[in-house]
Amino acid sequence: EAGVAQSPRYKIIEKRQSVAFWCNPISGHATLYWYQQILGQGPKLLIQFQNNGVVDDSQLPKDRFSAERLKGVDSTLKIQPAKLEDSAVYLCASRRVHDTGELFFGEGSRLTVL
Amino acid sequence: AQSVTQPDIHITVSEGASLELRCNYSYGATPYLFWYVQSPGQGLQLLLKYFSGDTLVQGIKGFEAEFKRSQSSFNLRKPSVHWSDAAEYFCAVAPRDDKIIFGKGTRLHILP
Repeated sequence: EAGVAQSPRYKIIEKRQSVAFWCNPISGHATLYWYQQILGQGPKLLIQFQNNGVVDDSQLPKDRFSAERLKGVDSTLKIQPAKLEDSAVYLCASRRVHDTGELFFGEGSRLTVL
Repeated sequence: AQSVTQPDIHITVSEGASLELRCNYSYGATPYLFWYVQSPGQGLQLLLKYFSGDTLVQGIKGFEAEFKRSQSSFNLRKPSVHWSDAAEYFCAVAPRDDKIIFGKGTRLHILP
């Protein structure tokens, strides 16, 4: 079984530029999450999808962050314009069963904003 | 609000010594509880989980954790650590509305 795929692995941009991250979850996983992990901190949930619908985006900075999962499979997280404090690893995770299933994580996309 | 506390930011133990990483949570009912491990440059891998039943949970790589309701704790243990256990460990809770909240992590260093 293929794992959660994320790209790019690394991205360096200047502040005020835009960036997009892509995630392809494990086949058949209905629930998809985007987490932000700032250096030295635990992952913070940005947005959770169930199929192509948003379940929770309460911690997504909607003035600059957006995410979509149009066909209920892969997902894109966009930041526009980026700020210095957006430097972090963006982790995508997926889950098979709604209530008790294990989260499977991708290797993450490391963003550096200069 | 739900929260997860990992009081130790860094822990250093000698190879072969025993290990205990602490985790406390704040929530009105018993949530689902997890321990994940993250090696440098890698994603998170599940070590073990507790949903219900036996309060002592066995995981992968020789780890175990004990759920103590009275203390709102879910501490991770290993009787004898190996150099390859050096990594960052995250405790996570999932109140039963499906949101998973992570602690800030404990970085484990192993002395040869």
